[in-house]
Amino acid sequence: EAGVAQSPRYKIIEKRQSVAFWCNPISGHATLYWYQQILGQGPKLLIQFQNNGVVDDSQLPKDRFSAERLKGVDSTLKIQPAKLEDSAVYLCASSRRRTGIEGELFFGEGSRLTVL
Amino acid sequence: QKEVEQNSGPLSVPEGAIASLNCTYSDRGSQSFFWYRQYSGKSPELIMSIYSNGDKEDGRFTAQLNKASQYVSLLIRDSQPSDSATYLCAVLNMEYGNKLVFGAGTILRVKS
Repeated sequence: EAGVAQSPRYKIIEKRQSVAFWCNPISGHATLYWYQQILGQGPKLLIQFQNNGVVDDSQLPKDRFSAERLKGVDSTLKIQPAKLEDSAVYLCASSRRRTGIEGELFFGEGSRLTVL
Repeated sequence: QKEVEQNSGPLSVPEGAIASLNCTYSDRGSQSFFWYRQYSGKSPELIMSIYSNGDKEDGRFTAQLNKASQYVSLLIRDSQPSDSATYLCAVLNMEYGNKLVFGAGTILRVKS
């Protein structure tokens, strides 16, 4: 079974520029998550989708971050404009939810963002 | 108060010893508890889950849960250098939309 795919793996941009990350979850996984992991910290949930609906986006900085999951499959996370403090690894994860273990997330390799 | 707290470490243990990793959580409504392992530069992967008070064993790993004390721990027996990683405690509260909240992680170093 193919894992969670993410791209790009690395991105370097200047502050105030924009960036987009893409994620394709494991086939059949209804729930998709975007986490932000700053160096030395645990992953922080930005947004959680169930199919193509948003379940939780309470920690998403909506003035600069946006995310969508069209057709309930792949997802895009966008940052515009980027700030220095956005430098982090952006992790996409998916889970089976109804048929799997609640809390068992499968993570992609992550997209490392450096904002200069 | 952080929702999930862990000692950042590093915790250093000799090869073959027992490594004990601890985690406390703030929300009494939390129902499910997980340990994820994250190697340097890699993504987290689930290694243990526990839902009821007591111990749960899986190979060299034992998870312990005490809901009254809001405390979760992970024991790694016969620690190996390949166990060196960051261990993330994660807590699921279904009352808050099944949000999985992670601690900051404990760095474990197993010395050969």
